[in-house]
Amino acid sequence: SAVISQKPSRDICQRGTSLTIQCQVDSQVTMMFWYRQQPGQSLTLIATANQGSEATYESGFVIDKFPISRPNLTFSTLTVSNMSPEDSSIYLCSVETGTSLNTGELFFGEGSRLTVL
Amino acid sequence: AQSVTQPDIHITVSEGASLELRCNYSYGATPYLFWYVQSPGQGLQLLLKYFSGDTLVQGIKGFEAEFKRSQSSFNLRKPSVHWSDAAEYFCAVGDDYKLSFGAGTTVTVRA
Repeated sequence: SAVISQKPSRDICQRGTSLTIQCQVDSQVTMMFWYRQQPGQSLTLIATANQGSEATYESGFVIDKFPISRPNLTFSTLTVSNMSPEDSSIYLCSVETGTSLNTGELFFGEGSRLTVL
Repeated sequence: AQSVTQPDIHITVSEGASLELRCNYSYGATPYLFWYVQSPGQGLQLLLKYFSGDTLVQGIKGFEAEFKRSQSSFNLRKPSVHWSDAAEYFCAVGDDYKLSFGAGTTVTVRA
């Protein structure tokens, strides 16, 4: 298992601003993932972040809007750029531990709830 | 591509009663299947998983799920629900390292 800490846990942001969410894991992990959970909806994968390489974005998500950093094996950031009310969501960091590689078993942080006014 | 359907958006159950949450998936090969629970204001917690072998899997908090290949289903069950089981439940299917989630089922427990 893994313990994942996200900051901030929640924030209220103004339209047009950007916010960076941090994800810290208590152990080294190869793969980190960022998900979005819009109000009343399920989770949607934004991107996969591997250390030492560019993040891989899913269809509908682009680097200019959601830049990601992965400077080491325990940390990642997701920035939500030029925010609009449609970006109001919970953003979740998740990791796949080495014991479950390629099986899709993920551990999740508690999420960062963003409200854009 | 894989997909997951949870037909029930909301289920209300009495405390002590049994609970079954339905999950159907679409996937070309043998899937990796998961159930996650999200309590209010919390992140997702893994309840149980199926990779291979015994089709009846046991999870935490007294939950179990049964994989039925012929029905493409992975339904979650609990014999006796506790008030603390009120939460949102997500079924997911894994393809390599990616998870696809169902829309979720909200469970309300009444006294």
